[in-house]
Amino acid sequence: AQSVTQPDARVTVSEGASLQLRCKYSYSGTPYLFWYVQYPRQGLQLLLKYYSGDPVVQGVNGFEAEFIKSNSSFHLRKASVHWSDSAVYFCAVSANTGANTGKLTFGHGTILRVHP
Amino acid sequence: GPKVLQIPSHQIIDMGQMVTLNCDPVSNHLYFYWYKQILGQQMEFLVNFYNGKVMEKSKLFKDQFSVERPDGSYFTLKIQPTALEDSAVYFCASSGTRQNTLYFGAGTRLSVL
Repeated sequence: AQSVTQPDARVTVSEGASLQLRCKYSYSGTPYLFWYVQYPRQGLQLLLKYYSGDPVVQGVNGFEAEFIKSNSSFHLRKASVHWSDSAVYFCAVSANTGANTGKLTFGHGTILRVHP
Repeated sequence: GPKVLQIPSHQIIDMGQMVTLNCDPVSNHLYFYWYKQILGQQMEFLVNFYNGKVMEKSKLFKDQFSVERPDGSYFTLKIQPTALEDSAVYFCASSGTRQNTLYFGAGTRLSVL
């Protein structure tokens, strides 16, 4: 069974600073990996996903993530954060079976606060 | 982007009563899902639904739970009867392809008293 660990429950950074949100997963093969963001009173929105190929994937709003298989990690990065990036970020994994089951395993989420 | 709407955002109900949570998925999507998040815990998969049938369900999907999407209307999660441990936020999601990109609603907070 797969699992996801987001070791940082809360992260606070200053506007303009760089950001890394950590995600470690457990899965026997090469999984599908996702980062979602949830703004207040909104649904989860997909930031980026990894299926195969280039281990560095680009997402929306300047976010990127790198799949490092040897480390079982899929950390999210952004070079310069904006106050509007304040939200809850979820890392998720699903089985790489080629079929759409939509069965994602989520981490607990990381609350990001960006202060001016 | 595409939106999934969940109605209502918060529902309070007495234990033992029936509740139906409604989800208006993205219009051309074919796959539908419910997830459950108990306060302070991770969001967990409940069930997925395609072509009028449940494809897969987790152990959290108790016998008291059912899902349907009659005639292309709302995708619903019904709990009958409700129990105290059903208190949680329920997230609906939909997807259109086999690419695992799910679009989520904002959730319905269910409080069972």
